Amino acid sequence: EPEVTQTPSHQVTQMGQEVILRCVPISNHLYFYWYRQILGQKVEFLVSFYNNEISEKSEIFDDQFSVERPDGSNFTLKIRSTKLEDSAMYFCASNKRGTSGLEQYFGPGTRLTVT
Amino acid sequence: GDSVTQMEGPVTLSEEAFLTINCTYTATGYPSLFWYVQYPGEGLQLLLKATKADDKGSNKGFEATYRKETTSFHLEKGSVQVSDSAVYFCALSDRDTGNQFYFGTGTSLTVIP
Repeated sequence: EPEVTQTPSHQVTQMGQEVILRCVPISNHLYFYWYRQILGQKVEFLVSFYNNEISEKSEIFDDQFSVERPDGSNFTLKIRSTKLEDSAMYFCASNKRGTSGLEQYFGPGTRLTVT
Repeated sequence: GDSVTQMEGPVTLSEEAFLTINCTYTATGYPSLFWYVQYPGEGLQLLLKATKADDKGSNKGFEATYRKETTSFHLEKGSVQVSDSAVYFCALSDRDTGNQFYFGTGTSLTVIP
């Protein structure tokens, strides 16, 4: 069964450094998402992406964040200058259509630790 | 705004015990409701869903009924197994606020033999 994959599984970085989290969505999916979960808190929506542009973003997704689909398979989340509070589990998700009621397929997550 | 409140964990049960994980929601429109499960080292997997009031989602012995009058979507299973040990997330998506998912904090379940 096709699945969403994410790399790396764990990333440790120093404050102020740039990080790129990578995701490979399911191949025939068209809508892509990033979420994050700070330890002990809710899973929070960051951004959705369709047709090579951002379709929605949350207040969390400020100028330090960017997303890109650099080729036909990868979907990346870049944090330009990491802060301690960016430490979290980051989940990528995808689905065929961005409609309510349709499930999103999630990857296993990347745990980002900023020191 | 939209939000989901989920029962705090962790929950520890003996095998064959009855499971209830409470979930209530707040939504401005007409949300669809979901339960996702995360096994160790894996992604969030859809367990069940309901897209309108009074719908019951079911899968693998788990059930949840969309109750608009109480704004709830509690997860139940009559007899849990060790293999059900995982983290369970309640979530909603609401077309009136875009199609992003709103999640609860997750409830960790451990089933002991």
